Amino acid sequence: DAGITQSPRHKVTETGTPVTLRCHQTENHRYMYWYRQDPGHGLRLIHYSYGVKDTDKGEVSDGYSVSRSKTEDFLLTLESATSSQTSVYFCAIRGLSDTQYFGPGTRLTVL
Amino acid sequence: GENVGLHLPTLSVQEGDNSIINCAYSNSASDYFIWYKQESGKGPQFIIDIRSNMDKRQGQRVTVLLNKTVKHLSLQIAATQPGDSAVYFCAENPRGAQKLVFGQGTRLTINP
Repeated sequence: DAGITQSPRHKVTETGTPVTLRCHQTENHRYMYWYRQDPGHGLRLIHYSYGVKDTDKGEVSDGYSVSRSKTEDFLLTLESATSSQTSVYFCAIRGLSDTQYFGPGTRLTVL
Repeated sequence: GENVGLHLPTLSVQEGDNSIINCAYSNSASDYFIWYKQESGKGPQFIIDIRSNMDKRQGQRVTVLLNKTVKHLSLQIAATQPGDSAVYFCAENPRGAQKLVFGQGTRLTINP
């Protein structure tokens, strides 16, 4: 599992509420990624980070923000959750060979 | 499970047979390719990778073939087992990019 944990693993929330998902890694990797996975779309990149306080947008970044205040944690925030953000969210790190290794995922339901 | 598409390509094989899963990639500048396996309710799991200076790489029961001429990647799984049932998808890394581009996936079912 490349030392990646995600929390929470499951969350149900209501439209309009803020939500923060956490990704934690134990192996000091520089690059971290947030993806969402939906039927018919596969894995889509939301945001990624290439170091502490260094982040960039992915292909589906609208409605999401991220923060990385320390190497081991990468936070994904939905400022005001919408039903279209119901999805499974995966965090990943990039290893030495450019391979990405994924966490176990967070299932988010927005009612 | 929650993973991937309602209309994924599917492949069914008998236990013990070999399977071949195909992937067409899009970017001729991609120089690194990865195959992932995703079981229901779990995150994608790295299986095998290959760089563009190779056309074949073997692992344990798995072989990846790369044909750059037609931008095609395949994953061969030998002597399939029930635990091989999963969704498999490829990913490509365009040269110089810090991001992977993922394919949609193929659902492999192993029949006893």
